[in-house]
Amino acid sequence: GDSVTQMEGPVTLSEEAFLTINCTYTATGYPSLFWYVQYPGEGLQLLLKATKADDKGSNKGFEATYRKETTSFHLEKGSVQVSDSAVYFCALVAYGGATNKLIFGTGTLLAVQP
Amino acid sequence: DAGVTQSPTHLIKTRGQQVTLRCSPISGHKSVSWYQQVLGQGPQFIFQYYEKEERGRGNFPDRFSARQFPNYSSELNVNALLLGDSALYLCASSFLGLSGNEKLFFGSGTQLSVL
Repeated sequence: GDSVTQMEGPVTLSEEAFLTINCTYTATGYPSLFWYVQYPGEGLQLLLKATKADDKGSNKGFEATYRKETTSFHLEKGSVQVSDSAVYFCALVAYGGATNKLIFGTGTLLAVQP
Repeated sequence: DAGVTQSPTHLIKTRGQQVTLRCSPISGHKSVSWYQQVLGQGPQFIFQYYEKEERGRGNFPDRFSARQFPNYSSELNVNALLLGDSALYLCASSFLGLSGNEKLFFGSGTQLSVL
């Protein structure tokens, strides 16, 4: 079945460091790919998405590129801030079904220190 | 405009009891989905409803049920609670819920603790 695998955390960085969180997926067809962020005590917020191969999603300085050849959607940010501390989830929606059911990875906790 | 609202925010139950969680979608959204997020894990899909019809069901036992009302709000019911049902239950809404091109909006969740 469809699945998402993302790097385990926690990831601890100093402010202004470069961030990469790896995400790979297994799916039939061409899924849509997402990164969601969950701040402490809150629900999930969509951070960015890409719906086809080679698309780059971007938002708030975060970027991820849909790589079909490596089945990856790695999250990057050039300079993290303390306010970026949160749990980040990679997710997909399977292609072709009449649904927007999300399949999530296990999440990666990011802690940014001043 | 109000976002997705869920009630209650926190709930404590004992094993064997039954619980009902409520969700109001964003105005105009017709699709509601439920997810279970166990501590330290990613959310797991439970149900999706559209126009009061069940569109999808995840790998959960029959103790879990849901319904959607004519005003598009939804309830999730869990019977015969087990300790393992302790989790954050998230509700999400979208306009049609037909594809990954459509944005899903999440509520802040109901934290259920089963003792």
